[in-house]
Amino acid sequence: ETGVTQTPRHLVMGMTNKKSLKCEQHLGHNAMYWYKQSAKKPLELMFVYNFKEQTENNSVPSRFSPECPNSSHLFLHLHTLQPEDSALYLCASSQGARVGLNEKLFFGSGTQLSVL
Amino acid sequence: DQQVKQNSPSLSVQEGRISILNCDYTNSMFDYFLWYKKYPAEGPTFLISISSIKDKNEDGRFTVFLNKSAKHLSLHIVPSQPGDSAVYFCAASGGSNYKLTFGKGTLLTVNP
Repeated sequence: ETGVTQTPRHLVMGMTNKKSLKCEQHLGHNAMYWYKQSAKKPLELMFVYNFKEQTENNSVPSRFSPECPNSSHLFLHLHTLQPEDSALYLCASSQGARVGLNEKLFFGSGTQLSVL
Repeated sequence: DQQVKQNSPSLSVQEGRISILNCDYTNSMFDYFLWYKKYPAEGPTFLISISSIKDKNEDGRFTVFLNKSAKHLSLHIVPSQPGDSAVYFCAASGGSNYKLTFGKGTLLTVNP
């Protein structure tokens, strides 16, 4: 139990589908993140929410739409994705948004997404 | 442009020997460096970190060394164990926003 739960673990979708990824953290943290891990690439930060407010959008295409209804839940709504969007999508949380020596990211297990 | 680079995609080591994983960075504003470990089908988990005011931090079998002038850090695992087999990510933060920037990761395989 990592304290950060992601569902579903695996998702296969067509390019015309609409789906959502869900993340829930049980750590009492205030900041939540979406990261994307593609094969042979670094983890890429997509979005940051701090106290439910979006504080960072790392030039992510609009076909990815995040939602943070409260500090414990984070969603990533997907629509009209492309095959190159196939990747592992990781949710993370931290107590504060300034990550460094005393502030760590806690990750969920990820959703492995395949877009056909 | 990659600000955190892990140039070795994989490393294979014999059980009981030392594993050395390397990481280079380009952004001189980074002042915190972290290593994360990832097993298949799991999310990355924090392993060890170091501040730029130090050049070494040790935690059990894991030691991280930082060479600021070379913008280089390394993770030493000694002795290596088969359970250490995982992908290791180097990450850095600092500057204006303190968001973690990750490297591509190095797959460590420790052979029994």
